[in-house]
Amino acid sequence: EVQLVESGGGFVQPGGSLRLSCGVSGFTFSDYWMSWVRQAPGKGLEWVAKIKQDAGEKYYVDSVKGRFTISRDNAKNALYLQMNSLRVEDTAVYYCGRDDYSKWGHYYGIDVWGQGTTVTVSS
Amino acid sequence: DIQMTQSPSSLSASVGDRVTFTCRASQGIGNDLAWYQQKPRKAPKRLIYAASSLQSGVPSRFSGSGSGTEFTLTISSLQPEDFATYYCLQHNSYPLTFGGGTKVEIK
Repeated sequence: EVQLVESGGGFVQPGGSLRLSCGVSGFTFSDYWMSWVRQAPGKGLEWVAKIKQDAGEKYYVDSVKGRFTISRDNAKNALYLQMNSLRVEDTAVYYCGRDDYSKWGHYYGIDVWGQGTTVTVSS
Repeated sequence: DIQMTQSPSSLSASVGDRVTFTCRASQGIGNDLAWYQQKPRKAPKRLIYAASSLQSGVPSRFSGSGSGTEFTLTISSLQPEDFATYYCLQHNSYPLTFGGGTKVEIK
């Protein structure tokens, strides 16, 4: 069974840092691009970042560029999101997701999601 | 950035109803669109990919159509478990962007 399990969320003051982790099982992690998506309380979904299998390409939404860093450890089957200079508006549930590509390289969005981890930024 | 606009933002419907909602892109995205269902306090679940392809395991009452800038998701006969919020996602270009969602409520 394919599983993604996020951890590392918590309460942090503005300007602080947190590192989220996503552990995966049930598929060959190193074969997949991976993403982070967040959802602020009572709001919609916002894509945050995406990383290629070998970490050679990374993409971010503008609002987190320079503050968040996506990374991965294929030996540990783990995805990470290092979040620095946190702001109140970063408060959200953070989901990791597996990116779905065809064997021809066409991207079809996120097909599997974790259950999410909650980040609260408040003074 | 490509803006995705969903309409309506919410709708009330009864079990057995046929419901359709729309997602519009601010520029053409081909068929690079997915639809997700999200229930309260749960992770999203993909229903449709490539605008009209049904995700494995998803009931056939769900269907998607469209290309370019206008897309629709249709539920042919609404079931009790379908009351949820539905989001579209464009994955044609970065940043990936979601629509604001359509909440389907019980009438």
